[in-house]
Amino acid sequence: SQTIHQWPATLVQPVGSPLSLECTVEGTSNPNLYWYRQAAGRGLQLLFYSVGIGQISSEVPQNLSASRPQDRQFILSSKKLLLSDSGFYLCAWSGHRKRGDNEQFFGPGTRLTVL
Amino acid sequence: SQKIEQNSEALNIQEGKTATLTCNYTNYSPAYLQWYRQDPGRGPVFLLLIRENEKEKRKERLKVTFDTTLKQSLFHITASQPADSATYLCALPPGYSSASKIIFGSGTRLSIRP
Repeated sequence: SQTIHQWPATLVQPVGSPLSLECTVEGTSNPNLYWYRQAAGRGLQLLFYSVGIGQISSEVPQNLSASRPQDRQFILSSKKLLLSDSGFYLCAWSGHRKRGDNEQFFGPGTRLTVL
Repeated sequence: SQKIEQNSEALNIQEGKTATLTCNYTNYSPAYLQWYRQDPGRGPVFLLLIRENEKEKRKERLKVTFDTTLKQSLFHITASQPADSATYLCALPPGYSSASKIIFGSGTRLSIRP
């Protein structure tokens, strides 16, 4: 069966410090991969998605970037964190049905606090 | 502009009653719509998908309807239980049938009181 891992679970970082969040998926190949951010009490904001190795689509212009160095690995990075980067970061994967109606499977999330 | 609106941020229901949550959308023409459940501090969990040619879909105590004319989906939980308390999110593709991404509504927080 498929499993999705995210780490770390929680992170407290000072403003201006770098960030690297990692997500890995097991039990499937060539998944679509996604990074979302959820601010406290708010909805899910899609940040990046990837349909294959090295293919990244950015949804919001900001100081974050994403990379997919391997088929089942998705990394979210920042060179300098802002206070506004605080939130709950979720990684998700989906399959590739022809109809496109793929449900998404989410990881446990990383709670990031920027001070 | 495109919008997904879920009725009321919070809904409080007496145990045993039917909870009905609404998802309205504007300037989308989705081929399908999905519903997810999210518990505090956890990622969303997929519940149901309904396609444009399906009026209704059921799964145990859950029922979803999809009215493409009204641009609305209703999500029902019958015989509600305190364990059903969570935030429920609807999601749909930004294009007719985007194979790559879906857009989430902001969710409705459902509380079932004993």
